[in-house]
Amino acid sequence: GAGVSQSPSNKVTEKGKDVELRCDPISGHTALYWYRQSLGQGLEFLIYFQGNSAPDKSGLPSDRFSAERTGGSVSTLTIQRTQQEDSAVYLCASSLEFGQGNKITQYFGPGTRLLVL
Amino acid sequence: GENVEQHPSTLSVQEGDSAVIKCTYSDSASNYFPWYKQELGKRPQLIIDIRSNVGEKKDQRIAVTLNKTAKHFSLHITETQPEDSAVYFCAAPLSYSGAGSYQLTFGKGTKLSVIP
Repeated sequence: GAGVSQSPSNKVTEKGKDVELRCDPISGHTALYWYRQSLGQGLEFLIYFQGNSAPDKSGLPSDRFSAERTGGSVSTLTIQRTQQEDSAVYLCASSLEFGQGNKITQYFGPGTRLLVL
Repeated sequence: GENVEQHPSTLSVQEGDSAVIKCTYSDSASNYFPWYKQELGKRPQLIIDIRSNVGEKKDQRIAVTLNKTAKHFSLHITETQPEDSAVYFCAAPLSYSGAGSYQLTFGKGTKLSVIP
């Protein structure tokens, strides 16, 4: 079946502009996750959704970052007033469930490469 | 706090040699341990996983071992090939945001270079 998809694949924007990144999870996956990965670095966890709810937003780097999920499916990550340090690859992942056991295996999308000039 | 520690951060081996990457976790209730491989410019992909009721699992040249008592698990790659060069991430479900709530938490990654 179809995997996790993300759009756009690449985004170049000017400092101060807003950007919106989209994630389409695997159908039927209730949990959705956003990560940020800077060049050569690990996976920085940003936020997760159980259904449409994001119980903990403390991983978001600043109040310029927000995310939402509607209909238990598509999620958007919005970055307002982008800064150069926001440049990174933004990865989305989804899992069947949230919790323990192999149903929490996360499947990643291809990422959105964001460059802020 | 709850975390997953991964070592080494970088590893270089000669083609044909073995590579071992180790991870430790903090929550004794964790019961599932996947490993991901991320090739340059690509997404992380699941390569092998192990559940807490087994001590070892093999899939061709890769194997994972788990020591629940010591709370550590390792990835073993034998007869390494240049295409094994990538960043490898371990993960474990750790308690998150309150009792009974777990989230898959990733190690910081190991960059493996296989030298032809």
